[in-house]
Amino acid sequence: AQSVTQLGSHVSVSEGALVLLRCNYSSSVPPYLFWYVQYPNQGLQLLLKYTTGATLVKGINGFEAEFKKSETSFHLTKPSAHMSDAAEYFCAVRIGAGNKLTFGGGTRVLVKP
Amino acid sequence: KAGVTQTPRYLIKTRGQQVTLSCSPISGHRSVSWYQQTPGQGLQFLFEYFSETQRNKGNFPGRFSGRQFSNSRSEMNVSTLELGDSALYLCASSREDRGYNEQFFGPGTRLTVL
Repeated sequence: AQSVTQLGSHVSVSEGALVLLRCNYSSSVPPYLFWYVQYPNQGLQLLLKYTTGATLVKGINGFEAEFKKSETSFHLTKPSAHMSDAAEYFCAVRIGAGNKLTFGGGTRVLVKP
Repeated sequence: KAGVTQTPRYLIKTRGQQVTLSCSPISGHRSVSWYQQTPGQGLQFLFEYFSETQRNKGNFPGRFSGRQFSNSRSEMNVSTLELGDSALYLCASSREDRGYNEQFFGPGTRLTVL
């Protein structure tokens, strides 16, 4: 069975500083990997995805993530945090057919002025 | 293009009652998935419907059920509500072309069980 681990349930960064959110997965077959963001009282919005091909994936709002098969990781980064980045971020994996997503526990990001 | 809509947005029920939640996918989308989000358990997959058939099912008791109609709209039902069923229920839809299909999430229905 696949699983997703997000290291750190809360992360605090200063505005303008690097944002780094960690995600590790376990899967016996090549996965599809996703990062979603959730703002208060809203659903999930897709930030970026890895399906096949280039391992460095660029998403919306300046975020990017790198798929490292050898480390089974898919960490999310943004070079310079903005106040609007304060939200909860979820890493997810999809294995095989269908649309079932397995999510990590989420990381809540606080951005300090 | 309208996004995924879920009704109602908020719901309060008492233990033992049953509840039905509705999800209207984006026009042209044929797959609908449901997730439960709680502070303790996080985001958990409930089930997925495609062309009116359940394609995937998560590890939830039989009190949780769903269906999909010919217009792709979906409903989920929870019978004999328990306090632990209080959660945000999210619905997601995707188009189902060949290859990867992005899922779009609705705003959710927040269910409170008293």
